[in-house]
Amino acid sequence: EDKVVQSPLSLVVHEGDTVTLNCSYEVTNFRSLLWYKQEKKAPTFLFMLTSSGIEKKSGRLSSILDKKELFSILNITATQTGDSAIYLCAVGLRRGGATNKLIFGTGTLLAVQP
Amino acid sequence: NAGVTQTPKFQVLKTGQSMTLQCAQDMNHEYMSWYRQDPGMGLRLIHYSVGAGITDQGEVPNGYNVSRSTTEDFPLRLLSAAPSQTSVYFCASSQTSGTIHGYTFGSGTRLTVV
Repeated sequence: EDKVVQSPLSLVVHEGDTVTLNCSYEVTNFRSLLWYKQEKKAPTFLFMLTSSGIEKKSGRLSSILDKKELFSILNITATQTGDSAIYLCAVGLRRGGATNKLIFGTGTLLAVQP
Repeated sequence: NAGVTQTPKFQVLKTGQSMTLQCAQDMNHEYMSWYRQDPGMGLRLIHYSVGAGITDQGEVPNGYNVSRSTTEDFPLRLLSAAPSQTSVYFCASSQTSGTIHGYTFGSGTRLTVV
């Protein structure tokens, strides 16, 4: 059974702290790993990772994938209250020539206090 | 550009009633999916479609039907609603090449079955 596990389930930090969110997976036919941020409504896309060891970066957020150990991390530096959200990890599965399924983890709830 | 549009945003049903959740996208995306999100469970895939006329089951398909008669629309039908189907439902779509650019999510439908 395909499985995506995120840790921690929830996290409370203070503004300015650095946080690391974890995502591990056990799936067949791995194609990609994606990170999403969910505030009040729909998840919004952050990163997609397909290759090991190549860091993706966007402002204070960065992410990296380890396909040998089957995990990814999402780092947020100098956290702000606006970073408070649920962070979702999803794994794209290969079906034939293209991916057409995403399996999500349960998410990490991040609360950044002033 | 509307993206992915879901209707209704909120719905209350009585046990045994039927209804259809609507999803439409205007990005000419091949792939469309339905997810449900429950506390502590993350996003779980209900059904997905790789193109008009083609659908397949996800992780939790029981109690739901889908069809894909056009590229734009992917309605989700609840034939006989049960309290266990109380959830937030998200429709998502992606380009033909799968998750290269990630999924675009609709704003969600909050369904309560009493």
